[in-house]
Amino acid sequence: KAGVTQTPRYLIKTRGQQVTLSCSPISGHRSVSWYQQTPGQGLQFLFEYFSETQRNKGNFPGRFSGRQFSNSRSEMNVSTLELGDSALYLCASSWTSGSRNEQFFGPGTRLTVL
Amino acid sequence: AQSVTQLDSQVPVFEEAPVELRCNYSSSVSVYLFWYVQYPNQGLQLLLKYLSGSTLVKGINGFEAEFNKSQTSFHLRKPSVHISDTAEYFCAVTLGSGNTPLVFGKGTRLSVIA
Repeated sequence: KAGVTQTPRYLIKTRGQQVTLSCSPISGHRSVSWYQQTPGQGLQFLFEYFSETQRNKGNFPGRFSGRQFSNSRSEMNVSTLELGDSALYLCASSWTSGSRNEQFFGPGTRLTVL
Repeated sequence: AQSVTQLDSQVPVFEEAPVELRCNYSSSVSVYLFWYVQYPNQGLQLLLKYLSGSTLVKGINGFEAEFNKSQTSFHLRKPSVHISDTAEYFCAVTLGSGNTPLVFGKGTRLSVIA
């Protein structure tokens, strides 16, 4: 079974631009979560989607948004990019929502904002 | 809200020596606990998890962890490390009910020296 895939793997943008990252979960998984990983803040939860509905949201500004499609694929969008948005963005999928379920992580998209 | 403290940011250890990576959490209610490993340029992989039951949890690659409720700890151990264990290790906690997101520690970089 194929793992979680994220595209693109690397991205360079300039301040003020917007960006869209994509995540394809493991086949059959219906929950997708997004995390931001930076050297200073570590891994921080952005949001979780299950059956096309946002189930949880972390403490990030409204510039960060996401959505999930009927095939469980998910996208996250960051508008008006800032230098501090440079990070590794990780997507994780699980077969259903719920704290006890194992999350399977993709390799991440490394975003650099210049 | 729950939180996780990984007491060591870096742990160097010689090959074939034992290692312990420390993790303490804070929560006033029951929790689920996880250890993840991240190899360079990859996403996170689950090593082991504690949901309930036996406090000694065995995971992949010869790792194990012990849940200690009185000390609010979940330390990760391996009796004999290999060069291939060099990676970043993350402890994570979530509430033991419902659907709450994972809260990660800052990570411990394990360096195995030949």
